Amino acid sequence: DQQVKQNSPSLSVQEGRISILNCDYTNSMFDYFLWYKKYPAEGPTFLISISSIKDKNEDGRFTVFLNKSAKHLSLHIVPSQPGDSAVYFCQGGIQGAQKLVFGQGTRLTINP
Amino acid sequence: EAGVVQSPRYKIIEKKQPVAFWCNPISGHNTLYWYRQNLGQGPELLIRYENEEAVDDSQLPKDRFSAERLKGVDSTLKIQPAELGDSAVYLCASSPRQVWPYGYTFGSGTRLTVV
Repeated sequence: DQQVKQNSPSLSVQEGRISILNCDYTNSMFDYFLWYKKYPAEGPTFLISISSIKDKNEDGRFTVFLNKSAKHLSLHIVPSQPGDSAVYFCQGGIQGAQKLVFGQGTRLTINP
Repeated sequence: EAGVVQSPRYKIIEKKQPVAFWCNPISGHNTLYWYRQNLGQGPELLIRYENEEAVDDSQLPKDRFSAERLKGVDSTLKIQPAELGDSAVYLCASSPRQVWPYGYTFGSGTRLTVV
């Protein structure tokens, strides 16, 4: 049961443009979501989070949008920079339950 | 502050041999996780510890995998005997009891290759 899905295995964006990474979920019990960024040969690192009571959270160049009715969230990166090239994972969680579910990841490549 | 430390970084073994991975979590983090990540996939939970107690090991293949977290700090994950399908990156992570809003802190992982 894949509760969190990232349907795009890869995405290529030109430097300076907007990158949009998508994530769908099926478990309506999730009440928060996190995005992680992973470089090769490193573990994932936390990037940004959003509570289900919000529809938007912004941190610098990164903005996460949540559409609960569609069970969909997206991560926007603007402007995209070469250092943003990495694999991005979304994760859904339930308050009080320590087990969070990861999506499969999307590999983002920023082209100069 | 030191992050989550894992060793070794890489390991190549022949099938049927044993292998062990070690993890030192962030000081003060009660919860420790072992994940396995196959190529092109997201991390999958193997086991979760609250202090020294394994509270979720439902995805751990117990016929060949074992784990321990003595004194609620360091942890070791063992595979005996290893199979070809065990080739993956094994990630350790830790978190405070309240995961929201900062999620987990991961180590760099151990890349296991079984030949």
